[in-house]
Amino acid sequence: EAQVTQNPRYLITVTGKKLTVTCSQNMNHEYMSWYRQDPGLGLRQIYYSMNVEVTDKGDVPEGYKVSRKEKRNFPLILESPSPNQTSLYFCASSSGRPVGDEQYFGPGTRLTVT
Amino acid sequence: DQQVKQNSPSLSVQEGRISILNCDYTNSMFDYFLWYKKYPAEGPTFLISISSIKDKNEDGRFTVFLNKSAKHLSLHIVPSQPGDSAVYFCAASAVRRDDKIIFGKGTRLHILP
Repeated sequence: EAQVTQNPRYLITVTGKKLTVTCSQNMNHEYMSWYRQDPGLGLRQIYYSMNVEVTDKGDVPEGYKVSRKEKRNFPLILESPSPNQTSLYFCASSSGRPVGDEQYFGPGTRLTVT
Repeated sequence: DQQVKQNSPSLSVQEGRISILNCDYTNSMFDYFLWYKKYPAEGPTFLISISSIKDKNEDGRFTVFLNKSAKHLSLHIVPSQPGDSAVYFCAASAVRRDDKIIFGKGTRLHILP
């Protein structure tokens, strides 16, 4: 079954404690992306990657890091989480350009930073 | 600076009637537009897209119209069904420039029985 998986689905952590949210897709997609969803702000793109070792900033990259060492995986790293990073995070993938077309989203990771 | 705007936070439509969701954009570099649908506790799902070289794209009950001069697009759902109740996001990208995707804030559609 074609899918994007994210782990963990729920996470409560404290300010400053490094964390990683994993994302994996089994569709051999080139394009992968991370978004955050906040009330009243919709979906905002954090980082995206067009292929292995190719990553670029989205609209709200501050405080986040990503890596793309393998095509299927695109982890999101918060080196020093802060309360304003409390949000619902989605990973997504698609087969290429035009980007966004037929983009598959994961189920989401709800992160709370206290 | 909000480049993709969905000015109606919510919309209620009677079952069987037409639902029209609107989206405006400010960046003239955008050349590809998409609509996503999101149910609670799930990730968004792709619905339909349109390139700036077209002014209409249709897929079953869903039609997207693009008015480039007005920088406006709309999603029409005909006829509306109960399962259409969801949040709809408009998104845009400038495929000739980069691979960034900008989403609107979403419109919550309620289909009334």
